[in-house]
Amino acid sequence: GENVEQHPSTLSVQEGDSAVIKCTYSDSASNYFPWYKQELGKGPQLIIDIRSNVGEKKDQRIAVTLNKTAKHFSLHITETQPEDSAVYFCAASRRGTYKYIFGTGTRLKVLA
Amino acid sequence: GAVVSQHPSRVICKSGTSVKIECRSLDFQATTMFWYRQFPKQSLMLMATSNEGSKATYEQGVEKDKFLINHASLTLSTLTVTSAHPEDSSFYICSAPGLAGGYEQYFGPGTRLTVT
Repeated sequence: GENVEQHPSTLSVQEGDSAVIKCTYSDSASNYFPWYKQELGKGPQLIIDIRSNVGEKKDQRIAVTLNKTAKHFSLHITETQPEDSAVYFCAASRRGTYKYIFGTGTRLKVLA
Repeated sequence: GAVVSQHPSRVICKSGTSVKIECRSLDFQATTMFWYRQFPKQSLMLMATSNEGSKATYEQGVEKDKFLINHASLTLSTLTVTSAHPEDSSFYICSAPGLAGGYEQYFGPGTRLTVT
């Protein structure tokens, strides 16, 4: 079946360093790839997304890259801050279906 | 962005009882909503798609008689966990799509269900 693999499962970085989280999807028809941040006891919050017709997208300290050929996409957070500590989920979807396949999550800890 | 609310945020119920969770789209209409379940330290797993005015579509392995879904209006979907058991204890999250034909989903804040 369709699945999304996400690595690493946990990631600790020093404040100010960069963090990279990688996902691989299996459904070649996927064309929308959102990233969500989830804090303890809360629902997921969209932080950035990318569509299949774009290779890279950046929003301040956050960027996402997409390699359609390899079916990989990655989240890059620069100049990390303690408030970036949370669980991050990637997802893959086909436009209009809204059926998201989520990755397994990455627990990011930014050490002050 | 659009706002999705859930009520209650936390609920504790006794084994064998039923509990209802509400999901509302506050400033937009949603003909479709989604229900997810998330166990501790795990990912979100889609349980079912709630369709306004028609039956919900359940994912494989999800018991439709146990997890009753009603989408009676364009802004409200409810999930009722019937005859709850401790193994049903989980974090339940709903979501709703934004613009029709678009990409984004908006997630609710989640409901923590504890069955004792």
